[in-house]
Amino acid sequence: DQQVKQNSPSLSVQEGRISILNCDYTNSMFDYFLWYKKYPAEGPTFLISISSIKDKNEDGRFTVFLNKSAKHLSLHIVPSQPGDSAVYFCAASRSSNTGKLIFGQGTTLQVKP
Amino acid sequence: SQTIHQWPATLVQPVGSPLSLECTVEGTSNPNLYWYRQAAGRGLQLLFYSVGIGQISSEVPQNLSASRPQDRQFILSSKKLLLSDSGFYLCAWSWGQGWETQYFGPGTRLLVL
Repeated sequence: DQQVKQNSPSLSVQEGRISILNCDYTNSMFDYFLWYKKYPAEGPTFLISISSIKDKNEDGRFTVFLNKSAKHLSLHIVPSQPGDSAVYFCAASRSSNTGKLIFGQGTTLQVKP
Repeated sequence: SQTIHQWPATLVQPVGSPLSLECTVEGTSNPNLYWYRQAAGRGLQLLFYSVGIGQISSEVPQNLSASRPQDRQFILSSKKLLLSDSGFYLCAWSWGQGWETQYFGPGTRLLVL
């Protein structure tokens, strides 16, 4: 049972444009959501997070939106840069569950110069 | 600042041989520690987590085991490796309870032949 799903395995955008990565979850008990960026042969790097009491969190070029009723979150990168090319994972957790994260399958983002 | 180390970076082992991967965290005390595996083309799967010395929880039945002999040391082991154990193994840490962000190490690439 895949509780966190990233249905788009890949995404290609032009430099300077907006990148939108999507993530859906099924467990309504999740109350904390994170996005990680991963380069090949490296560990994931934390990007941005959002708790269920918010519907938007912004950090520089990165904004995460949470739609609890739809059980959907998205990561917006504006403007996209070639260095943003990587695999992006969304993850979800329950605050009462020792911080265990459930990850999606990942979306490979390619930003073309 | 906190730092997480994993070694070795790459490992090639024959089927049936033992395994020991080590993870250490610096700059924090009593962290929560996690082992993940990323199989080729797939997301991150939580294997084990630990909230304290000697406390290990297993997420999936498998050929692997974990131990936490010291507060900031987490070891992943196997007595006899299988071909299916090949993958990219990641250690992560977090601190506190509730909405936690996990920080990942650089990973170990394991190839079982």
